[in-house]
Amino acid sequence: RKEVEQDPGPFNVPEGATVAFNCTYSNSASQSFFWYRQDCRKEPKLLMSVYSSGNEDGRFTAQLNRASQYISLLIRDSKLSDSATYLCVVKGGNKLVFGAGTILRVKS
Amino acid sequence: EPEVTQTPSHQVTQMGQEVILRCVPISNHLYFYWYRQILGQKVEFLVSFYNNEISEKSEIFDDQFSVERPDGSNFTLKIRSTKLEDSAMYFCASRRAGLSTDTQYFGPGTRLTVL
Repeated sequence: RKEVEQDPGPFNVPEGATVAFNCTYSNSASQSFFWYRQDCRKEPKLLMSVYSSGNEDGRFTAQLNRASQYISLLIRDSKLSDSATYLCVVKGGNKLVFGAGTILRVKS
Repeated sequence: EPEVTQTPSHQVTQMGQEVILRCVPISNHLYFYWYRQILGQKVEFLVSFYNNEISEKSEIFDDQFSVERPDGSNFTLKIRSTKLEDSAMYFCASRRAGLSTDTQYFGPGTRLTVL
């Protein structure tokens, strides 16, 4: 089983749509969880950390379910500029373990 | 806003040659990392470095790889004898000390092409 698993997509959505990404992780001892965004051939950039209580940052909402080892990201009112690859990331020990990413394409 | 910087942005080398990739982490950060991303694949951890020594390394980080913090600002990754499969984006990252500050900030990467 992969350490961090994501649906690769691509998700093709119109502007204004709501889109949800899911991720599962295999190491139940993991303590920290993140969503990063990566534009083509650029570095990963932190989008938001994910907490058990759930957290929201503007149009973005992240949820963590430790019992199911499941992480989600919801994007509301999609913008063209949201087009990118979204990386589910789990901190294992001293390192970050990345999923392969989910591609989002927002079309006008 | 402080940033991690990396040089060069693109390095082309011949198989078997040595390369050194350079990084300047954010100035008050104490933990340093190298990751790589082969084209079309996921980002993979290579090594972490703290207090002038390696704290963790992956299976990828074999004897051909080494890291160094030669002065107070630079953090380098050396590949002694490059192979074709070393072609990838190499990202440096850094973070502050402390368990509550887990965020790793990534540099823009060095694209290594081995011919």
